[in-house]
Amino acid sequence: QQQVKQSPQSLIVQKGGIPIINCAYENTAFDYFPWYQQFPGKGPALLIAIRPDVSEKKEGRFTISFNKSAKQFSLHIMDSQPGDSATYFCAARTGGFKTIFGAGTRLFVKA
Amino acid sequence: NAGVMQNPRHLVRRRGQEARLRCSPMKGHSHVYWYRQLPEEGLKFMVYLQKENIIDESGMPKERFSAEFPKEGPSILRIQQVVRGDSAAYFCASSPPWLAGDEQFFGPGTRLTVL
Repeated sequence: QQQVKQSPQSLIVQKGGIPIINCAYENTAFDYFPWYQQFPGKGPALLIAIRPDVSEKKEGRFTISFNKSAKQFSLHIMDSQPGDSATYFCAARTGGFKTIFGAGTRLFVKA
Repeated sequence: NAGVMQNPRHLVRRRGQEARLRCSPMKGHSHVYWYRQLPEEGLKFMVYLQKENIIDESGMPKERFSAEFPKEGPSILRIQQVVRGDSAAYFCASSPPWLAGDEQFFGPGTRLTVL
């Protein structure tokens, strides 16, 4: 119930491609869905986030699509660049501040 | 405004020793969270604290682990009698009260190695 399942585990795309990372959850009490980006040796940093009353959110080249009925959400990176190579974590939070993270997706963008 | 600071960045302990990990939240942030990250895995929530209070410690192992966030000074995550399975990266995050935990600002982590 408290899990967030993330796929794929790793992803390789060419520069300019559109990597898509998917997440699914069970707990309908989750009310906030952030995505974090982590570079090697660094802490995660918030990339973009969405609430369940919105089906899509765009910030620059990053888009979240949210399907409340299917309890799924995904991250799309438009025109991906080698600098986007990092590990991406989806997450879900209840009103009690506790944030549950997915297992992460290691993205590699080839130049 | 300096970011979240954690020290030490790397810590090596022998089995049975104690490990103390420190976290200084960003200025004005009164909420602190600790996470553990095992290699090739996501972050696992451990504990959420506000000044002088533990709000949620549902992710903390029942034994050997404790956390505090005193009125003055950094938050401390303490692991007594460390075992090899405690080897991991430990991340601290902080948030201000007005964000209600929506965005958590992470520190660079402390990498604990238990020999």
